[in-house]
Amino acid sequence: DQQVKQNSPSLSVQEGRISILNCDYTNSMFDYFLWYKKYPAEGPTFLISISSIKDKNEDGRFTVFLNKSAKHLSLHIVPSQPGDSAVYFCAAHTAGTYKYIFGTGTRLKVLA
Amino acid sequence: NAGVTQTPKFRILKIGQSMTLQCTQDMNHNYMYWYRQDPGMGLKLIYYSVGAGITDKGEVPNGYNVSRSTTEDFPLRLELAAPSQTSVYFCASSSHSGGSSYEQYFGPGTRLTVT
Repeated sequence: DQQVKQNSPSLSVQEGRISILNCDYTNSMFDYFLWYKKYPAEGPTFLISISSIKDKNEDGRFTVFLNKSAKHLSLHIVPSQPGDSAVYFCAAHTAGTYKYIFGTGTRLKVLA
Repeated sequence: NAGVTQTPKFRILKIGQSMTLQCTQDMNHNYMYWYRQDPGMGLKLIYYSVGAGITDKGEVPNGYNVSRSTTEDFPLRLELAAPSQTSVYFCASSSHSGGSSYEQYFGPGTRLTVT
């Protein structure tokens, strides 16, 4: 049973346009959601997070939106740059534990 | 600050062999984790630790063991390696202190092949 789902394995976007990466979840006990970026042969690096009590968090070109009623979050990257080409993982932190559940990742390719 | 370091970067094991994957962090984080990532899959939690001397199983602990004698180090031991343990292994740490957004810091990974 996959509690965190990223249904799009890949996404291609033109440089300068908006990239939207999506993530769905099933567990209402998640209290924090995080996005990580991963380049080949490297470990994931933290990008941005959002608490379950908020609906938006912004950091420079990156904005995460949370829709609790739909159990859906999305990461917006504006404007997209070629250096953003990577695999993006959505992760969820379970309240009261030290555990995280990761999605399967979306490979973003930004075309110059 | 080196962050989270892992050794080795690559290793090929024969079936039945044993090895230890090393992980060290210099951020004084209490929480440390071991994940494995199989192709096309997300990260699966193997073991985690909330402090020196305290460890607990994650989703996929079978075939692995851990210890945490210091805050800095969290080695992962594979006993009797099997082909199903072929994967990329990531170690991570986190703070969970006040004001934390729960982000984890990951090492560069160890690519293990069991043949």
